[in-house]
Amino acid sequence: NAGVTQTPKFRVLKTGQSMTLLCAQDMNHEYMYWYRQDPGMGLRLIHYSVGEGTTAKGEVPDGYNVSRLKKQNFLLGLESAAPSQTSVYFCASNPASVSTDTQYFGPGTRLTVL
Amino acid sequence: AQKITQTQPGMFVQEKEAVTLDCTYDTSDPSYGLFWYKQPSSGEMIFLIYQGSYDQQNATEGRYSLNFQKARKSANLVISASQLGDSAMYFCAMRVTGTASKLTFGTGTRLQVTL
Repeated sequence: NAGVTQTPKFRVLKTGQSMTLLCAQDMNHEYMYWYRQDPGMGLRLIHYSVGEGTTAKGEVPDGYNVSRLKKQNFLLGLESAAPSQTSVYFCASNPASVSTDTQYFGPGTRLTVL
Repeated sequence: AQKITQTQPGMFVQEKEAVTLDCTYDTSDPSYGLFWYKQPSSGEMIFLIYQGSYDQQNATEGRYSLNFQKARKSANLVISASQLGDSAMYFCAMRVTGTASKLTFGTGTRLQVTL
């Protein structure tokens, strides 16, 4: 099992450009999440999904869109990148059942917006 | 709303000594879980330990233990016999039952283990 994978690992954008970050998990998890991590701060939730075809806003959703067309994939889109979106982005997944299971994190994507 | 507070931005500990990383939390929900993650310089998030709000005993995982004091709303991580490889950022996080397992994170503590 690959677990949670993220594509790309690094990206540099110019202000106003768009891009999509791909998250894939092979654990058949219902729940998936996108977080961002900024220096001196913990991870903050951008958007999440509780199943195929569903999405919901997290703590910091502005400037991002997401889609979950397939259960195993969760896409994060930036339509018009801004320097404030320079961050490390983490995807995570979780089984739906209430348990002690931790969230399974991807390796992260480091995004720089110039 | 849930909140996690980690008041120690940085900590130093000598190799082989024990260290406690502080975490306090705030929630009005009775059912929740508390997590600790390690983030080494390579950047990945590594799950260390979990404590459920109804667990009677403090959680332990090898050299890691969680000092859970429910009345004080604290969930401190204790690392025994520190090793150089323990140098990393440590994050405390909380999940409230029934909220799609969303995690709320603290701002982290950077631990440096010295010789």
